Amino acid sequence: DTEVTQTPKHLVMGMTNKKSLKCEQHMGHRAMYWYKQKAKKPPELMFVYSYEKLSINESVPSRFSPECPNSSLLNLHLHALQPEDSALYLCASSQDQGGAYYEQYFGPGTRLTVT
Amino acid sequence: QKEVEQNSGPLSVPEGAIASLNCTYSDRGSQSFFWYRQYSGKSPELIMSIYSNGDKEDGRFTAQLNKASQYVSLLIRDSQPSDSATYLCAVKNSGAGSYQLTFGKGTKLSVIP
Repeated sequence: DTEVTQTPKHLVMGMTNKKSLKCEQHMGHRAMYWYKQKAKKPPELMFVYSYEKLSINESVPSRFSPECPNSSLLNLHLHALQPEDSALYLCASSQDQGGAYYEQYFGPGTRLTVT
Repeated sequence: QKEVEQNSGPLSVPEGAIASLNCTYSDRGSQSFFWYRQYSGKSPELIMSIYSNGDKEDGRFTAQLNKASQYVSLLIRDSQPSDSATYLCAVKNSGAGSYQLTFGKGTKLSVIP
């Protein structure tokens, strides 16, 4: 089973709202990722959690705040977003961050629209 | 700057033909290579991974790797309209002790019935 789940599937929020995206995997993976993908572009890495600790932050603005409550769950808290933050937000997981041969599996994504 | 290059397409092939998708990468230290398929509006789906020089076959898909030429390709035999999607090449590099994926911009494949 290589399933990563994400909720919600779609989210529309105003620039003053606070919302959260959720991701869950039950594959026993110890690395989890957040990516942002704009139309006709490849995914861009935002954050990496390894063994529930933040290991990589790709200079993401502080209006995006990641959280890893346990080894199966990953959240992305959103606050005071801008319209240009509208995108497909993808969660992914892999067995470990530190191996060259571990495959990353993506969830279905959350389509975010900021109005 | 670690780069992964793909022709953006669109690549159009008739149904039943072989589709050939190509990818080159700049980092000679790259160790693992992946092909993801992404349908419009959906998330990337891993379809092939390859780590050693040569060919790797899985059903109608064959991945080919040539590290000396820094080249990886994906062949799709007996192409079907359902194969119409964007194919992302991803390369895993080592950097600062971690292994991150670098994606190409993707090649859009259209299989014509």
